[in-house]
Amino acid sequence: KAGVTQTPRYLIKTRGQQVTLSCSPISGHRSVSWYQQTPGQGLQFLFEYFSETQRNKGNFPGRFSGRQFSNSRSEMNVSTLELGDSALYLCASSFTGTSFPGELFFGEGSRLTVL
Amino acid sequence: GIQVEQSPPDLILQEGANSTLRCNFSDSVNNLQWFHQNPWGQLINLFYIPSGTKQNGRLSATTVATERYSLLYISSSQTTDSGVYFCAVGGWETSGSRLTFGEGTQLTVNP
Repeated sequence: KAGVTQTPRYLIKTRGQQVTLSCSPISGHRSVSWYQQTPGQGLQFLFEYFSETQRNKGNFPGRFSGRQFSNSRSEMNVSTLELGDSALYLCASSFTGTSFPGELFFGEGSRLTVL
Repeated sequence: GIQVEQSPPDLILQEGANSTLRCNFSDSVNNLQWFHQNPWGQLINLFYIPSGTKQNGRLSATTVATERYSLLYISSSQTTDSGVYFCAVGGWETSGSRLTFGEGTQLTVNP
């Protein structure tokens, strides 16, 4: 069974640009969530999507957005990039019901550098 | 929101030694996972253990939900065990799969 797949793995952008990251969950998993990891803030929850609807949202500015498609694949977008957005972005999928949590499985991450 | 504290923050061992990593959390949880982050950044699942005890080879974990802590035991450590270990919990206050991570324990195993 294929794991969680994230693309691209590495990317470099400049301030003011925007970026889109993609995540394909494990087959059969309907929940996809996104996390940001930085040396200063650690691992922080961005948002979760379930059945194409945002179910949970962390404390990030509106520049961070996401969506989920009918095949459960998800994208996250960061607009007007700032230097502080440089981070490892991790996607996780889980086989969860409408309310109970399931075990999360993470992808290899997308490492974003903003210059 | 729920708070997660991991201890110790750093741990240095000689190969073959045993260790215990601790995770304290501030509220009741419906999800608790232990991860090992590899050098490339990927979080590797070790245990999904909101309560009870599990073992997988040299690793085992125990969560005492009523006392709000979890322990990860590593026996006969190997150099390949080096890396950062994270505890992450999900609380009852939110539905779905949202994890709050601790700051991690940096484990170094020397040959």
